[in-house]
Amino acid sequence: KNEVEQSPQNLTAQEGEFITINCSYSVGISALHWLQQHPGGGIVSLFMLSSGKKKHGRLIATINIQEKHSSLHITASHPRDSAVYICAVPPTGNQFYFGTGTSLTVIP
Amino acid sequence: NAGVTQTPKFQVLKTGQSMTLQCAQDMNHNSMYWYRQDPGMGLRLIYYSASEGTTDKGEVPNGYNVSRLNKREFSLRLESAAPSQTSVYFCASSRDYKGEQFFGPGTRLTVL
Repeated sequence: KNEVEQSPQNLTAQEGEFITINCSYSVGISALHWLQQHPGGGIVSLFMLSSGKKKHGRLIATINIQEKHSSLHITASHPRDSAVYICAVPPTGNQFYFGTGTSLTVIP
Repeated sequence: NAGVTQTPKFQVLKTGQSMTLQCAQDMNHNSMYWYRQDPGMGLRLIYYSASEGTTDKGEVPNGYNVSRLNKREFSLRLESAAPSQTSVYFCASSRDYKGEQFFGPGTRLTVL
């Protein structure tokens, strides 16, 4: 049983498209974390949010704590957005939960 | 600020050898973490240090030991490396235990 589920697992988009990546979780949380892992392997923190919506450039993250669901949106996608996007929930005790990631490829 | 740094970037070991992976952060964070990432699997927690002076096991601690040397540094030791420990290792830190985590560049380890 995976406490954090992401969809889709793989996503291919044309440059300029609007992209949505979904994350559902089964544990009770106070916040959720979105990470980006570049093809070279580095992991970057994108957002940590506990309610509503956050925006950074072309990236928007939303969360509904009651429905246990978060979405990451990319507007006007670009090839440099190609990466793996990972959602994670903060630890409970020594239990850390990470999604297995959504691999995004944006084609020029 | 360098953020989170890890050394080495790459390492090849023979079965049975030992080594220590070093991690340091300059963000004055209280909590630090060691993860491993294997193909097709998500990040898995090996050990963490919620605050200076404390360390705790994560999901996959067998075969590893850690030391929180001071607030800045958190090292991971493999006492007797095994091929199953071939992986990419990431160190991370956060201001508080449940806070936003910032990752180092990773160490790619191969055990032959």
